[in-house]
Amino acid sequence: EAQVTQNPRYLITVTGKKLTVTCSQNMNHEYMSWYRQDPGLGLRQIYYSMNVEVTDKGDVPEGYKVSRKEKRNFPLILESPSPNQTSLYFCASSLSTGVGYTFGSGTRLTVV
Amino acid sequence: KQEVTQIPAALSVPEGENLVLNCSFTDSAIYNLQWFRQDPGKGLTSLLLIQSSQREQTSGRLNASLDKSSGRSTLYIAASQPGDSATYLCAVTDSWGKLQFGAGTQVVVTP
Repeated sequence: EAQVTQNPRYLITVTGKKLTVTCSQNMNHEYMSWYRQDPGLGLRQIYYSMNVEVTDKGDVPEGYKVSRKEKRNFPLILESPSPNQTSLYFCASSLSTGVGYTFGSGTRLTVV
Repeated sequence: KQEVTQIPAALSVPEGENLVLNCSFTDSAIYNLQWFRQDPGKGLTSLLLIQSSQREQTSGRLNASLDKSSGRSTLYIAASQPGDSATYLCAVTDSWGKLQFGAGTQVVVTP
């Protein structure tokens, strides 16, 4: 089944403890991106990648890192999480610019 | 900067009525427009994708129109059912492939 898989689905962590949220797609998509969703602010792009080894900042990149070493994987790294990064995170992928997006099921992160 | 607006923010209708959801965007230089459905605390499910050269797309009870020159799209859901209750999001793809989302319309269909 064609899908975008995120792990974990739920995560509670403490301030400052490094964490990684994984994202993997099995559709050979070139374009991948990360979004966070917050009440009243909607969905905002964190980082995106147009291909392997090509990444760029979105609207809210502060406090996040990404890497794209393989086409299928696009992990989101929080080196030192803070409570303001408590949010619902989504990974998405697309075959190319101009084609529709497929979203993962989301990761609900709580930083205490 | 592209801004996407969805009106109304919330909508409650009795079962069987048709739903009309509106989306407007400020920059007409888009690749496409996509409508999504989101259930509470869940992921986004793609409903319809309209390319910038298209005027409308249909899937079952859903029909979406696009007027790129005026920066508007409308999602019609015919004969609404309680299972249609969800938040509906529209998003435009800009020339960099970035999705810009509206804030969504929360729909409640009462039996």
